[in-house]
Amino acid sequence: QQQVKQSPQSLIVQKGGISIINCAYENTAFDYFPWYQQFPGKGPALLIAIRPDVSEKKEGRFTISFNKSAKQFSLHIMDSQPGDSATYFCAASNNQGGKLIFGQGTELSVKP
Amino acid sequence: DGGITQSPKYLFRKEGQNVTLSCEQNLNHDAMYWYRQDPGQGLRLIYYSQIVNDFQKGDIAEGYSVSREKKESFPLTVTSAQKNPTAFYLCASRITGPNEKLFFGSGTQLSVL
Repeated sequence: QQQVKQSPQSLIVQKGGISIINCAYENTAFDYFPWYQQFPGKGPALLIAIRPDVSEKKEGRFTISFNKSAKQFSLHIMDSQPGDSATYFCAASNNQGGKLIFGQGTELSVKP
Repeated sequence: DGGITQSPKYLFRKEGQNVTLSCEQNLNHDAMYWYRQDPGQGLRLIYYSQIVNDFQKGDIAEGYSVSREKKESFPLTVTSAQKNPTAFYLCASRITGPNEKLFFGSGTQLSVL
């Protein structure tokens, strides 16, 4: 019930392509869904986040799509660049300050 | 600069030894967290503290201990009871509410000699 399942584990995309990473959750009490980006040897940093009152949120080339009925959400990176190569984590928590539960991570490599 | 400072960057532990990882923040956040990162397993919560002098076990607390004597500091001790300590350890502080966010340090890589 507390798990967040993330796929794929790794992803290779050509420069200019679209990167798509998917996450699924079980706990219907979750109401906050962030994505974190981590470069090698660094801590993760918040990239973008969504709450379930909207189905999509866009910030620049990054978009979260949220499907409440399917209990799934995904990150889309448009016009992927080599500088986007990093590990991406989805996460979920409830708004009562509950623990943030992370997915297993996706290692993205964007080839020039 | 405001943020989370972790030290050391690299740490080596001998068998039977306890080691302590430092985490300091100057963001004035109440909540602080320790995560362990292993390849392909995401971030797993070790301990967290929502206020000074109080802390709770996370999902993988066995073999670890923490203290929270000051708001700014949340050190993690990896004890000799932790049989597989090699991992990347991340400390974070958190703000909740509409702009909820975890602020992570740059991590400590712990290896066993």
